[in-house]
Amino acid sequence: AQSVTQPDIHITVSEGASLELRCNYSYGATPYLFWYVQSPGQGLQLLLKYFSGDTLVQGIKGFEAEFKRSQSSFNLRKPSVHWSDAAEYFCAVGAGIGGYGGSQGNLIFGKGTKLSVKP
Amino acid sequence: KAGVTQTPRYLIKTRGQQVTLSCSPISGHRSVSWYQQTPGQGLQFLFEYFSETQRNKGNFPGRFSGRQFSNSRSEMNVSTLELGDSALYLCASSLSIQETQYFGPGTRLLVL
Repeated sequence: AQSVTQPDIHITVSEGASLELRCNYSYGATPYLFWYVQSPGQGLQLLLKYFSGDTLVQGIKGFEAEFKRSQSSFNLRKPSVHWSDAAEYFCAVGAGIGGYGGSQGNLIFGKGTKLSVKP
Repeated sequence: KAGVTQTPRYLIKTRGQQVTLSCSPISGHRSVSWYQQTPGQGLQFLFEYFSETQRNKGNFPGRFSGRQFSNSRSEMNVSTLELGDSALYLCASSLSIQETQYFGPGTRLLVL
């Protein structure tokens, strides 16, 4: 069965420090992979997505993620964290038909990683 | 372009009642998905609609149902509410089932 694991429930980093949030997935076919961010009381905002091609994906707000098939990972990185990045981050895999052209409407999410930023 | 709109934003119901939540997708989007978010279970997929047809359904009891109208607006209904149905219900829309989803702010349901 498809699944997404985010091993870190809560991470605290200092403002200006680099950040890496881990995500491991289990999916039989070529996955569609996503990172979303959720601020308190808000919906989910898409940071970036991977469908195919270049394994290093650039997103909004200075975030990037790297797809590593051999490690079944899709870790999110940011070189310098800002206080406004404090939020909860969710990794997700599109679990529709699977493969290129599959449905994205059925996302399987990880449990999320809450990011706190120290001044 | 306006984002995904969900109404109401907050709702309080009692056990045994039923509730209907509404979602208006981004203009031009024809696919709508619903998710339930709880502290214990996290984000779980409920259903996906495209062109008024349910395309996918998550592992939820039959008390949870939904529909999509010809203008792509969607509603979900939960009958015979239980305490465990207290959650944030998120709606997402996309141009089609193969396109990226954009989420609304959610409806927070509290069942007493």
